[in-house]
Amino acid sequence: GNSVTQMEGPVTLSEEAFLTINCTYTATGYPSLFWYVQYPGEGLQLLLKATKADDKGSNKGFEATYRKETTSFHLEKGSVQVSDSAVYFCALSNTGGFKTIFGAGTRLFVKA
Amino acid sequence: DSGVTQTPKHLITATGQRVTLRCSPRSGDLSVYWYQQSLDQGLQFLIQYYNGEERAKGNILERFSAQQFPDLHSELNLSSLELGDSALYFCASSPEGGPLYGYTFGSGTRLTVV
Repeated sequence: GNSVTQMEGPVTLSEEAFLTINCTYTATGYPSLFWYVQYPGEGLQLLLKATKADDKGSNKGFEATYRKETTSFHLEKGSVQVSDSAVYFCALSNTGGFKTIFGAGTRLFVKA
Repeated sequence: DSGVTQTPKHLITATGQRVTLRCSPRSGDLSVYWYQQSLDQGLQFLIQYYNGEERAKGNILERFSAQQFPDLHSELNLSSLELGDSALYFCASSPEGGPLYGYTFGSGTRLTVV
């Protein structure tokens, strides 16, 4: 079946550090891939998405590239800020599917 | 404001009771999805409705039920509540393209069963 595996947290970084959160997936066919972010006390927000292989999703300085050969969708940001502290979820939706499958989430702490 | 409205924001109730959670999807979205978020289980898909009809079921207990009304708002009914049902319940909506283009989430209802 379809599944998403993302790196365990928490990840603690200093402000302006480089961020990578790893995400790999298992799916049949050609899924759409997503990163969602959840700030404390809030619901999830769609951060970026990619709908086909080699697509790069980007938003607010975050990027992720859909790599079919390695079944990965790693999240990166060149310089994190304290305001990026949140939980990040990798997710996939498959063609013909009716739901999105989420990874376990990775908590990010950014220190000033 | 994401455009998806969930009420109430917080709910405290006793074991054995029944509660109803309400969700209004973003304007124009036909699909509504319910998810349960707990510390040990992560985000678990419960059920999806599309334009009033049940489309998919996930790990939804028999004590739980949902429906989507003609105005597209949805209600999640939880009965015979147990301590383990304490969690955040999220509603999300998507346009006709379904989950392939991403969801818009509400801010959730925090249910505490005592």
